[in-house]
Amino acid sequence: QKEVEQNSGPLSVPEGAIASLNCTYSDRGSQSFFWYRQYSGKSPELIMSIYSNGDKEDGRFTAQLNKASQYVSLLIRDSQPSDSATYLCASPSGGYQKVTFGTGTKLQVIP
Amino acid sequence: GAVVSQHPSRVICKSGTSVKIECRSLDFQATTMFWYRQFPKQSLMLMATSNEGSKATYEQGVEKDKFLINHASLTLSTLTVTSAHPEDSSFYICSASFPGLGGLNNEQFFGPGTRLTVL
Repeated sequence: QKEVEQNSGPLSVPEGAIASLNCTYSDRGSQSFFWYRQYSGKSPELIMSIYSNGDKEDGRFTAQLNKASQYVSLLIRDSQPSDSATYLCASPSGGYQKVTFGTGTKLQVIP
Repeated sequence: GAVVSQHPSRVICKSGTSVKIECRSLDFQATTMFWYRQFPKQSLMLMATSNEGSKATYEQGVEKDKFLINHASLTLSTLTVTSAHPEDSSFYICSASFPGLGGLNNEQFFGPGTRLTVL
């Protein structure tokens, strides 16, 4: 069983809408979660980290963590075409400093 | 902060030759570096974890004699693909991590990647 799961998408939203990306995880002991953005042909870029239950906001991005339900989500407000990318959810997976990445959700923002 | 560089960004080589890829953390000391491989339209695959001054830990199915990793300093790790073959053509990405960087644990910062094409 994969430790971190995501819907591969693609998720299509119109420009200006809210994009909601979801991730579930299996390890109840996981304490930290990360969202990475990966543009086609590029390497991943860390955009959000979250450690506590609840919401964490950074600009147009909000990460939400619900440890009881074992899911973490990323909301992108006022979506822009430049947000079109694959979004990877990640969580520590044992082993020093290792993380497990989900397979990623492809987001398409339609102008 | 947390900038990781990779060199070269793109390399084309003949089958049977060896290719070395460098990964550097530019503004912090990385106790741990990771090497990933990504095939087109597929997810990241961790190849190995590299700790400064010790042998790398390879993931299951990754040939350690083919993918040689050296982490000689806190800012440099190298991956050498030995006797490369066309099936080794892929996007190789390194990342670096430092406990407590930015006050958080397990954050990894990625280099820009190296696209290897083996003819």
